Amino acid sequence: KQEVTQIPAALSVPEGENLVLNCSFTDSAIYNLQWFRQDPGKGLTSLLLIQSSQREQTSGRLNASLDKSSGRSTLYIAASQPGDSATYLCAVRRTGNQFYFGTGTSLTVIP
Amino acid sequence: KAGVTQTPRYLIKTRGQQVTLSCSPISGHRSVSWYQQTPGQGLQFLFEYFSETQRNKGNFPGRFSGRQFSNSRSEMNVSTLELGDSALYLCASSLDGQKNTEAFFGQGTRLTVV
Repeated sequence: KQEVTQIPAALSVPEGENLVLNCSFTDSAIYNLQWFRQDPGKGLTSLLLIQSSQREQTSGRLNASLDKSSGRSTLYIAASQPGDSATYLCAVRRTGNQFYFGTGTSLTVIP
Repeated sequence: KAGVTQTPRYLIKTRGQQVTLSCSPISGHRSVSWYQQTPGQGLQFLFEYFSETQRNKGNFPGRFSGRQFSNSRSEMNVSTLELGDSALYLCASSLDGQKNTEAFFGQGTRLTVV
């Protein structure tokens, strides 16, 4: 069974810092990996999608990498802002629209 | 372009009752999947529908069921509600659920069972 782990569980940084969130998964047979953010009590907002054949994807201040063979992905956030405060979830997809989610990293950016 | 719409946003039900939640996917999307999110278990996959057929199913009891209509809208039903069913229920839609398509989530339905 696929297990997804995210480290750290919580992170607090001052505004302007660059930071890295980590995600690891046990089964490398994945279709793709998607990073989401979730604000309290809200749904999930898609940030980046990385196909299994790709190494990284970038969108604005966000960069996600994927090392499928080692079962790892990282989400890099540059020049963090208070509006980046949220829970970040990584999810791996094996088949159809079925995702296995990590437990998330709760990020707080202090002004 | 409208996103994924879930209704209602909030529900309070009593133990033993049943409930139906609705999800309207992004226009043109044919795959809809459902997830339960609780503080203790995180996000767990319930089931996926594609072209009115259940394609995948998670490890939930038979009290949880769903269906998809010809317009791709999906409903999820939970019968004989238990306190432990209190959760945020999220649905996701994608074009066809194939490996290179991005999934988009709705805002969720917050179910409280009392």
